[in-house]
Amino acid sequence: SQKIEQNSEALNIQEGKTATLTCNYTNYSPAYLQWYRQDPGRGPVFLLLIRENEKEKRKERLKVTFDTTLKQSLFHITASQPADSATYLCALKQTGANNLFFGTGTRLTVIP
Amino acid sequence: GAVVSQHPSWVICKSGTSVKIECRSLDFQATTMFWYRQFPKQSLMLMATSNEGSKATYEQGVEKDKFLINHASLTLSTLTVTSAHPEDSSFYICSATQGPRGNSPLHFGNGTRLTVT
Repeated sequence: SQKIEQNSEALNIQEGKTATLTCNYTNYSPAYLQWYRQDPGRGPVFLLLIRENEKEKRKERLKVTFDTTLKQSLFHITASQPADSATYLCALKQTGANNLFFGTGTRLTVIP
Repeated sequence: GAVVSQHPSWVICKSGTSVKIECRSLDFQATTMFWYRQFPKQSLMLMATSNEGSKATYEQGVEKDKFLINHASLTLSTLTVTSAHPEDSSFYICSATQGPRGNSPLHFGNGTRLTVT
């Protein structure tokens, strides 16, 4: 069966450290993968997109890697801040399909 | 730019009544909008894809007669939950894409919390 799993439901880290979130997928052939941030009671907000032929993407303090051999994407937030506390969702678009399929999310808490 | 407005943000209704949720793209035209449903601590589940001027495409297991979708213009899609029951209580989120389907990110509304009593 198809699955998109994010490593843990919740992750707590100390302010200033690097947060690393994992997204693993099974039985998908993704054309690209996206990461979103979702705050409580709000809709998700797009952060980064990485294509299947790209290894790494960066945007300010954010970095995403994509390993199609391992079927895994890693999402890093460097120099984390309490304002980074939110739920982070990975989503992938399968080759030949128009829909995005979402993981269950990881709730990140950055402790001051 | 790329703002999606969703109303209402929350609604409480009695069992058996119908509820309409609106989703508008404020500063861009959205030929395609998507409706998702999200349960607590769970992933967003795609309910249907709404195409302007044509019938919506529903995902497997979603009752099209219960969740009526209308996409009458390039900036407005509506979801009507008909004859609502307590099990329909959930967080409903719409989204729209601005550019070509292939690589464009989704822009989400802020969701509607539906509670059916």
